[in-house]
Amino acid sequence: DQQVKQNSPSLSVQEGRISILNCDYTNSMFDYFLWYKKYPAEGPTFLISISSIKDKNEDGRFTVFLNKSAKHLSLHIVPSQPGDSAVYFCAASRNTNAGKSTFGDGTTLTVKP
Amino acid sequence: NAGVTQTPKFRILKIGQSMTLQCAQDMNHNYMYWYRQDPGMGLKLIYYSVGAGITDKGEVPNGYNVSRSTTEDFPLRLELAAPSQTSVYFCASSYSGQGGSQPQHFGDGTRLSIL
Repeated sequence: DQQVKQNSPSLSVQEGRISILNCDYTNSMFDYFLWYKKYPAEGPTFLISISSIKDKNEDGRFTVFLNKSAKHLSLHIVPSQPGDSAVYFCAASRNTNAGKSTFGDGTTLTVKP
Repeated sequence: NAGVTQTPKFRILKIGQSMTLQCAQDMNHNYMYWYRQDPGMGLKLIYYSVGAGITDKGEVPNGYNVSRSTTEDFPLRLELAAPSQTSVYFCASSYSGQGGSQPQHFGDGTRLSIL
């Protein structure tokens, strides 16, 4: 039973356009949702997060939207840049769980110049 | 500031051999984690630790052991390596305050092949 799902293995967008990466979850007890970015041969790095009590969090070109009723979140990147090409992981965690996160399988974003 | 350091970066083992993957962090984080990532998949939690002397199993602990004698170090031991353990292993750490809101800081991984 995969609690965090990223149903699109890959996404390709043109430079300057919007990239939208999606994530669905099944456990309504999650308190936080985090997005990580991963380049080849490197470890994931934290990008942005959102608390379950909010519906939007913005940081520069990156915005995460949370729809609790649909158990769905999305990461918007505007405008997309070639350097954004990477694998993006959605993760979910609970306050009471020793900081453990459950990760999705990732979406590979390619931004074409 | 080095962050999370993993050694070695690459290793090839024969079936039945044993080895220890090293992980060290210099951020004074209480929480540490070991994950494995198989091709096209997400990160699966192997073991985690909430502080020195305290470890617990994650989602896929079979075939692995850990220890946490200091805050800084969290080695992962593979006993009797099997081809199914071929994977990329990531170590991570996080601050213990405010529970699930704290992002994890990852090392660059150890790519392990069992032949």
